[in-house]
Amino acid sequence: GAGVSQSPSNKVTEKGKDVELRCDPISGHTALYWYRQSLGQGLEFLIYFQGNSAPDKSGLPSDRFSAERTGGSVSTLTIQRTQQEDSAVYLCASSLGHRYGELFFGEGSRLTVL
Amino acid sequence: QKEVEQNSGPLSVPEGAIASLNCTYSDRGSQSFFWYRQYSGKSPELIMSIYSNGDKEDGRFTAQLNKASQYVSLLIRDSQPSDSATYLCGASNDYKLSFGAGTTVTVRA
Repeated sequence: GAGVSQSPSNKVTEKGKDVELRCDPISGHTALYWYRQSLGQGLEFLIYFQGNSAPDKSGLPSDRFSAERTGGSVSTLTIQRTQQEDSAVYLCASSLGHRYGELFFGEGSRLTVL
Repeated sequence: QKEVEQNSGPLSVPEGAIASLNCTYSDRGSQSFFWYRQYSGKSPELIMSIYSNGDKEDGRFTAQLNKASQYVSLLIRDSQPSDSATYLCGASNDYKLSFGAGTTVTVRA
C-alpha cells in the first residue's frame, strides 16, 4: 500500500538507552508530523516539518528529543537517554501541505522503557 | 486549560440509536475542525472536517460547528457495532492540529 510507514512497530528498551523511530510518509505529501499518545490520552503534538522550511519543534518535551527529515521525505525521531515516562505510542502523520488538519497516520511505534 | 476538551465518556448507546459527542476549544483563532475515529490498537483516521458554522452531513455522520460558542459536535445516527471506537476532536488555526483526549463510544447490539 501507499500509506504512512513506521518502524519499528514495537520497541522495548532499557532506561538510559537511545532509540530511533522512523517514518516514511505518503509520496507527494510535503507535511510531516510526529505525535505522541500515552495510554488513555489524546494526541500530543511533538514536531512539524513542511517542505524545506524550518521545522516547528515547539512540542518536543525536552532536549532529549530530536527529529530530522532528510530529502523532504523520510523522518527520524530520536530519543536520547530514555526515561520510563517516554513510554508511549509515537505516531507519524503526513498530509498535503495545504490541507491543514487532514492527516494520514501511520500505525505507530510503541515504545516501552523498562 | 487544555486547548481542546471532550466529554470523556465512555458513551454507551444501543444499536440504532443516535450517539452525540461534544467538544469545546479555547483558541478563538481556530479555523478548521476535525473528527478522527480510532479503533482500539489502531491509528486515528479522519472521518469528518468542518470549517463553517452550521451542520455538515456525510452519511450517518453530522458535524456541527458554533464558533461563537467555541463548540463542535458529532452525531452518529443509526449507530452500528462497527462505530464502537474512540472519537478524537481536533482544532487547528494553521498547520498545528490540537486534539482532545477522545470520547470512547460503545454500541450495544
